[in-house]
Amino acid sequence: QVQLVESGGGVVQPGRSLRLTCAASGFTLRTYNIHWVRQAPGKGLEWVALIFYGGSDAYYADSVKGRFTISRDNSDNTLYLQMNSLRAEDTAMYYCTKEEDAFDIWGQGTVVTVSS
Amino acid sequence: QAGLTQPPSVSKGLGQTATLTCTGNGNNVGNEGAAWLQQHQGHPPKLLSYRNNNRPSGISERFSASRSGNIASLTIAGLQPEDETDYYCSAWDSSLSAWVFGGGTKLTVL
Repeated sequence: QVQLVESGGGVVQPGRSLRLTCAASGFTLRTYNIHWVRQAPGKGLEWVALIFYGGSDAYYADSVKGRFTISRDNSDNTLYLQMNSLRAEDTAMYYCTKEEDAFDIWGQGTVVTVSS
Repeated sequence: QAGLTQPPSVSKGLGQTATLTCTGNGNNVGNEGAAWLQQHQGHPPKLLSYRNNNRPSGISERFSASRSGNIASLTIAGLQPEDETDYYCSAWDSSLSAWVFGGGTKLTVL
C-alpha cells in the first residue's frame, strides 16, 4: 500500500529548530518528486519545498528559503524537512506529498506550533 | 510568492452543477495547467484532477476540469451533500520555480 507518514512535529519556541520526517512505504521515494505543503490553522494550503527525484535539487517557497532544508535518505526511503529559525507564522500542519500526477498521495500530516 | 485566485465561496443546490474557477497567469495555469484538490475538514487534501482534465483512478466522473487561457475550472455535476467542502487549485509556476496554490473555495450545497 502506497503510504506517507509524517512525524516530528511539536511545540517549539521562536528561533529554535525542528526536523520533520516523512516515511514512505509501498513505493521508492527517490523515484518521485516529493513536496512539503503546510496549512496554518483555518487557512489554505501553502507549498513549502520540493526535492526532485533522483538527485538533491530542491526548490523552496520564498517564505522559508534560507531557513528550511529538504533532504532525502534513499537507503531509508525517508524524506526530511529541517526547519531552522522558526517563526510564529510557521505554525501549521505540515504534509508531505508525492508528485506523480500532481500531488497524488498525501500523508496525514504533523503539527508544528511555534510559540514562546 | 503570488498565488492563484479562487472565489472564497460558491453555493449551489443539491443535484445542480457547480463550476469553480482558478485564475493564474501565463507562467502557471496558462502554461502547465492546474491541478484540483478537495479537502474535507480534518483530512489531508485529495487529488481530483491534474493537468486540466486528467482524473486519478477512483475519482468520480462527476468531477471534470478544463482550462481557457489563464483560467482553470472545476465542474462538479449532480451535487451531493458530501461535495460540500473546500477545493483548491494548484499549478507549477515556471517564473517563480515554485508551486502555487489558490486560496481555496468553500462549496456549499443547499
